[in-house]
Amino acid sequence: EVQLVQSGAEVKKPGESLKISCKGSGYIFTSYWIGWVRQMPGKGLEWMGIIYPADSDTRYSPSFQGQVTISADKSISTAYLQWSSLKASDTAIYYCARRFDTSSPHFDYWGHGTLVTVSS
Amino acid sequence: EIVLTQSPGTLSLSPGERATLSCRASQSVSGSHLAWYQQKPGQAPRLLIYGASSRATGIPDRFSGSGSGTDFTLTISRLEPEDLAVYYCQQYGSSPRTFGQGTKVEIK
Repeated sequence: EVQLVQSGAEVKKPGESLKISCKGSGYIFTSYWIGWVRQMPGKGLEWMGIIYPADSDTRYSPSFQGQVTISADKSISTAYLQWSSLKASDTAIYYCARRFDTSSPHFDYWGHGTLVTVSS
Repeated sequence: EIVLTQSPGTLSLSPGERATLSCRASQSVSGSHLAWYQQKPGQAPRLLIYGASSRATGIPDRFSGSGSGTDFTLTISRLEPEDLAVYYCQQYGSSPRTFGQGTKVEIK
């Protein structure tokens, strides 16, 4: 069974750094791209970026380029999303999701989400 | 960037009724690379439809997708109480990938 298990909720202060994780299981982790999607409180879904764990090839949406860093450690089947200096506007639920394949790059499996709260 | 506009914003229907959700793109979506996701309250999104009309594994056949180019539709043929959710379309034919703003389906 394909599973994406995300790290737990975080409460941080503005200016702090953070790295959240997404561990894949039940499939060959290095064969599928993993993406990240933001959902701000009461709002819709925003596509942030995507990484191919086999070689760490990464693509970002222009809206998130330079704001976050996506990485992966294929040895432990885990993808990461990190911030160097959080802002209150980073408060959101962050989902990781597996991209199906190149011919149809939709997201077929989703993690349960990680709630990030940034408040002074 | 392709902008997806979903309508209506909210749809309120009774069980057994037919729901028709629209997703209109600002430019043609190449290859009919459009998906629909369902997000129930407090849950992660779930894939319903990909390639505009292909149902994902385990999705009941009361859900169907259609359309091409700039106009796409998700139809729920007979609403059930568990269909209470927000439904999002997403295009993955062009970069950056984008989502619509969602349609909320309420059950009377």
